[in-house]
Amino acid sequence: QVQLQESGPGLVKPSETLSLTCTVSGYSLSSHYYWGWIRQPPGKGLEWIGNIYHSGSTYYNPSLKSRVTVSVDMSKNQFSLKLSSVTAADTAVYYCARASLEYLSFDSWGQGTLVTVSS
Amino acid sequence: SYEVTQPPSVSVSPGQTATITCSGDKLGDKNTCWYQQKPGRSPVLVIYEDDKRPSGIPERFSGSNSGNTATLTISETQAMDEADYHCQAWDTTSWVFGGGTKLTVL
Repeated sequence: QVQLQESGPGLVKPSETLSLTCTVSGYSLSSHYYWGWIRQPPGKGLEWIGNIYHSGSTYYNPSLKSRVTVSVDMSKNQFSLKLSSVTAADTAVYYCARASLEYLSFDSWGQGTLVTVSS
Repeated sequence: SYEVTQPPSVSVSPGQTATITCSGDKLGDKNTCWYQQKPGRSPVLVIYEDDKRPSGIPERFSGSNSGNTATLTISETQAMDEADYHCQAWDTTSWVFGGGTKLTVL
């Protein structure tokens, strides 16, 4: 059974870069799935950030595209998120998740990690 | 960019049928799915590809999608179904979420 676990700093200063890693166990990143990041500001809805396929193809939310990089490390079975020039509006719970290639839905999620942007 | 819209809240009495909608331009032409999220927990997929239930999801959860509206229906609603429900569509390389609907079981 696939398991996903987010890790990274819980506090980031404004204008700096938010960096998170998702470690996947029980399943290979080289399988036919997308691997993605979704966030949820406190008390608000879900916002898709970006996905990556093992080939390296990436797909980003147009509203965040200029600040987002998603990458994959096949040797560690991990994928990562970098979000640059953060502001308080980027404070959220960040989830990593697996998306079906066929159905385009996220069928497995990590537990989420709260990232606060504050000086 | 594509957008989908949900009502902020829906109320239902125990044992009754809850209906949650998700609206978007020609949404019926797109793959739509639904997630249940309880407080402090990660979302759980309850409907995918408009009307399919993942293994382990009770039969009382069903979905449909036609025209501009996708619908999540919960039959014989139980107290344990009280949660936030999020619809999600896919539109030309973008995954799009609705704003979420809080289902209250009164």
